[in-house]
Amino acid sequence: DQQVKQNSPSLSVQEGRISILNCDYTNSMFDYFLWYKKYPAEGPTFLISISSIKDKNEDGRFTVFLNKSAKHLSLHIVPSQPGDSAVYFCAASGSNDYKLSFGAGTTVTVRA
Amino acid sequence: NAGVTQTPKFQVLKTGQSMTLQCAQDMNHEYMSWYRQDPGMGLRLIHYSVGAGITDQGEVPNGYNVSRSTTEDFPLRLLSAAPSQTSVYFCATSGVGYGYTFGSGTRLTVV
Repeated sequence: DQQVKQNSPSLSVQEGRISILNCDYTNSMFDYFLWYKKYPAEGPTFLISISSIKDKNEDGRFTVFLNKSAKHLSLHIVPSQPGDSAVYFCAASGSNDYKLSFGAGTTVTVRA
Repeated sequence: NAGVTQTPKFQVLKTGQSMTLQCAQDMNHEYMSWYRQDPGMGLRLIHYSVGAGITDQGEVPNGYNVSRSTTEDFPLRLLSAAPSQTSVYFCATSGVGYGYTFGSGTRLTVV
């Protein structure tokens, strides 16, 4: 049973607009959340993270929001660029736990 | 500084054959893990290791063996390949306070 869920398999957005990717989790022991980006034929690369003591973390065009009560997080990309076209994975772990649980991924396509 | 190196990049096996997927890291990280990526399933943990001589099962360990004799290497062995093991395999490493660094993957097809 997947503990991290990304219910939208794909997202298409126009260049310059906002991309919003959603992720839900079921395990209340998770307290660290990450987003990874993956291009074809490459391994996933770390994008941004947030710990459960925060509700927002920003890094340039990327912002992650965490709603602990709803067990929901989202990734905002503003503005979206063609190089953002990739698969985005949401991941989560518990305290002092190296293991990450991943969602199924969302494929983002940025249209010119 | 290569990070995480996986070999081979591509492999085709016949059902019943065995093989070893290699993973080597030069980051001196204690934690290493193997994931498989399948459409609609995301990345699922196969086996992991928290240090040399210590391994444990992940979410989908059946049909795979691992060992960790050194900090640098963490090979994944397929004992008797099955079509259900057709997938893309990723090795990852992590140190305390660091995020995961993934290799570029091995695309395995079992026919």
